[in-house]
Amino acid sequence: SQQGEEDPQALSIQEGENATMNCSYKTSINNLQWYRQNSGRGLVHLILIRSNEREKHSGRLRVTLDTSKKSSSLLITASRAADTASYFCAMTGTASKLTFGTGTRLQVTL
Amino acid sequence: GAGVSQSPSNKVTEKGKDVELRCDPISGHTALYWYRQSLGQGLEFLIYFQGNSAPDKSGLPSDRFSAERTGGSVSTLTIQRTQQEDSAVYLCASSPWTGPSSYEQYFGPGTRLTVT
Repeated sequence: SQQGEEDPQALSIQEGENATMNCSYKTSINNLQWYRQNSGRGLVHLILIRSNEREKHSGRLRVTLDTSKKSSSLLITASRAADTASYFCAMTGTASKLTFGTGTRLQVTL
Repeated sequence: GAGVSQSPSNKVTEKGKDVELRCDPISGHTALYWYRQSLGQGLEFLIYFQGNSAPDKSGLPSDRFSAERTGGSVSTLTIQRTQQEDSAVYLCASSPWTGPSSYEQYFGPGTRLTVT
């Protein structure tokens, strides 16, 4: 079962624009991670934010976490065609297994 | 170094047959995870190993599913008497550590299982 809900389900933007994806979850977490998946196969880790952190940056990525609202957002700035993929948030609690969100399909057009 | 590898990359099997899926984690990673991804259920956890033991098998959908890990390295996921609802992409991941301060997980390319 999914613990996380992501919105939007799908997002289409033009190259150079920013893309924002949101993740909401139900129970307390230890950390929240974002993964990218190309072509429905392996996932690539993007960024991890711990429950005591509020914001984190990595290159063109910015992640925020609001534990009071049980929500996180992923911002991709200056998007490129190569950013086209599905993006998943994934939560860990006291156990180390990942519980995934429903995913956002991002399409970046030239 | 080499990443997580999985074999086969694709498997087509007839309903009722048994299948074995293999995962080679990154060398030295003590934690190994199996997930599956299907259209109806999204990405879901199946089982995880710490060394050769499996402290959490809570995601295995039925007793037709089993997994083992030997030598703290290679893992095999076995599905007996496959059903059409077993069709999915099976993903393996490994991590250098486990516990409350979890590290990122490194995923393999997956095995696409189709049960006809």
